Amino acid sequence: TQTVSQSDAHVTVFEGDSVELRCNYSYGGSIYLSWYIQHHGHGLQFLLKYYSGNPVVQGVNGFEAEFSKSDSSFHLRKASVHWSDSAVYFCAVSGYNKLTFGKGTVLLVSP
Amino acid sequence: NAGVIQTPRHKVTGKGQEATLWCEPISGHSAVFWYRQTIVQGLEFLTYFRNQAPIDDSGMPKERFSAQMPNQSHSTLKIQSTQPQDSAVYLCASSYRENTEVFFGKGTRLTVV
Repeated sequence: TQTVSQSDAHVTVFEGDSVELRCNYSYGGSIYLSWYIQHHGHGLQFLLKYYSGNPVVQGVNGFEAEFSKSDSSFHLRKASVHWSDSAVYFCAVSGYNKLTFGKGTVLLVSP
Repeated sequence: NAGVIQTPRHKVTGKGQEATLWCEPISGHSAVFWYRQTIVQGLEFLTYFRNQAPIDDSGMPKERFSAQMPNQSHSTLKIQSTQPQDSAVYLCASSYRENTEVFFGKGTRLTVV
């Protein structure tokens, strides 16, 4: 069984601030982790993924995430957010095929 | 590449009617997934095909829901005797193979009145 926990339902920051969105997972085997973004009224868009190798992975629009096996985490970070980053962010885990998603974190970037 | 195409974008059905949702995955992708999204439950996995064969339908409600993939260019999700609790956004997704980027369609918003 694979589970994903996103501990923060809502995060509010100011434009230009850095942000970290937290994701913890549980899964016993080889793991595939990813982050998706969903703007209001739109579909899910892929941000980045980790499968193996360098635990810090770079994604689109300045996002990066760091995999930690010891902490069972895959936190998403951005150094300087823009108002357009306001959206819902979903962390997902996959053992081999289907993705299991967290409940999502709503990021609100205030001007 | 038009991405994953889902039709219709919106569907309203009366309670007890049948609803069929359509999905055209990205050409060349061997894995096709269906998910359901609601405010309360979030993103729920429904079913998954690989090379058109059903692999995992563990998320499908056992009654009234069925999914098929008659050819590599489209999949359907059928809900018989729709109920208000079936109201949700149904998302189709595809990937080149397992553990590669999964691309999602824009979804079909089903409203059962």
